[in-house]
Amino acid sequence: AAGVIQSPRHLIKEKRETATLKCYPIPRHDTVYWYQQGPGQDPQFLISFYEKMQSDKGSIPDRFSAQQFSDYHSELNMSSLELGDSALYFCASSPVRNTQYFGPGTRLTVL
Amino acid sequence: GESVGLHLPTLSVQEGDNSIINCAYSNSASDYFIWYKQESGKGPQFIIDIRSNMDKRQGQRVTVLLNKTVKHLSLQIAATQPGDSAVYFCAASYSGGGADGLTFGKGTHLIIQP
Repeated sequence: AAGVIQSPRHLIKEKRETATLKCYPIPRHDTVYWYQQGPGQDPQFLISFYEKMQSDKGSIPDRFSAQQFSDYHSELNMSSLELGDSALYFCASSPVRNTQYFGPGTRLTVL
Repeated sequence: GESVGLHLPTLSVQEGDNSIINCAYSNSASDYFIWYKQESGKGPQFIIDIRSNMDKRQGQRVTVLLNKTVKHLSLQIAATQPGDSAVYFCAASYSGGGADGLTFGKGTHLIIQP
């Protein structure tokens, strides 16, 4: 079965640089969620989109922004990167109000 | 706000035994609960879910119990296998809000002893 696709899988950036993470949801899923997971931590919800509109907002820093495009893929844009942004970033997709299925994640390392 | 937590950080069981992982939540408005399994370096993998209009749901070798009175849920894994070794998270949300994000608990590391 098709799964959530995330790219890149690994990303290394310097402090104050920008990064863009991409997420391709499972076909026919119209809702996308972004989560951040620090080392040894539980995933923290950042933001979600339904039908290309922002739906819910969690602990997303002002330096981060995201959007969902007409083909339902989503991008998480991260600017002025800090050391503390180093984490695993997961995208999940679902039919609205249904089970969220997670992608493999992007490991971001900020040096 | 929502707070979801697990009672034990690590649970060690013998292969073939049953295991029970517990979780407590704080938001009475939560009406949808999910258990995820996460292996090292991988994304959370859906195991089983339950809505607040149920108190028990069974899957293949797994059972989730929900006690809304004390805001507690548990995951029971029958006849544990080496492949069950992972971190297990419970998560909660309110489905009436649309595409609401999940609030995760802290995770229990399940270790299967041979």
